[in-house]
Amino acid sequence: EVQLLESGGGLIQPGGSLRLSCAASGFTFSTYAMSWVRQPPGRGLEWVSSISGSGGSTYYADSVKGRFTISRDNSKNTLYLQMNSLRAEDTAVYYCAKDKRAMAASYYFDYWGQGTLVTVSS
Amino acid sequence: EIVLTQSPATLSLSPGERATLSCRASQSVSNSLAWYQQKPGQAPRLLIYDASNRATGIPASFSGSGSGTDFTLTISSLEPEDFAVYYCQQRINWPLTFGGGTKVEIK
Repeated sequence: EVQLLESGGGLIQPGGSLRLSCAASGFTFSTYAMSWVRQPPGRGLEWVSSISGSGGSTYYADSVKGRFTISRDNSKNTLYLQMNSLRAEDTAVYYCAKDKRAMAASYYFDYWGQGTLVTVSS
Repeated sequence: EIVLTQSPATLSLSPGERATLSCRASQSVSNSLAWYQQKPGQAPRLLIYDASNRATGIPASFSGSGSGTDFTLTISSLEPEDFAVYYCQQRINWPLTFGGGTKVEIK
């Protein structure tokens, strides 16, 4: 059974940093691209970042480019999102999501974690 | 950036009725479009990918159609558990983008 478990969210002051983790199980982690998608309270979904199975390719939304870094540790089956210079508009539930297709990523998301809430406020 | 516009924003229907949801892209996405369902307090669930392919475990009451810039998600007969918010997503260009969502509510 595929499971994705996010952690690391919380309340952080503007300008601060936070690292989210997503522990994956139930599939061959290294063969799937992974992504982060966020959802501000009461609003829609926003793609944040994606990383290839090997970790060699990364992609970012313009709104987080230069501030957020996606990475993965395939030996630990874990996905990360390092978030720096946080802003109030980064407040959201952050979901990690698994690609639907192994090897050649589809960038459709067939499994999602339960989400972790990041609140940026003074 | 490809903008996805979903309509209507809210659809008020009764159980057993047919739901037709629209997603329009600001430029062609070929058939590279997915639909997701999200219920309150839950993560999204993949329903349809490549515009018309049902994901694993999705009932046949859900169908997707369209290509290029105009796409439709149809729920042939609404079950109580189908009342939720639905999002479309394109994957042909970076950045990946989602539509703003359509809420299907009980009339």
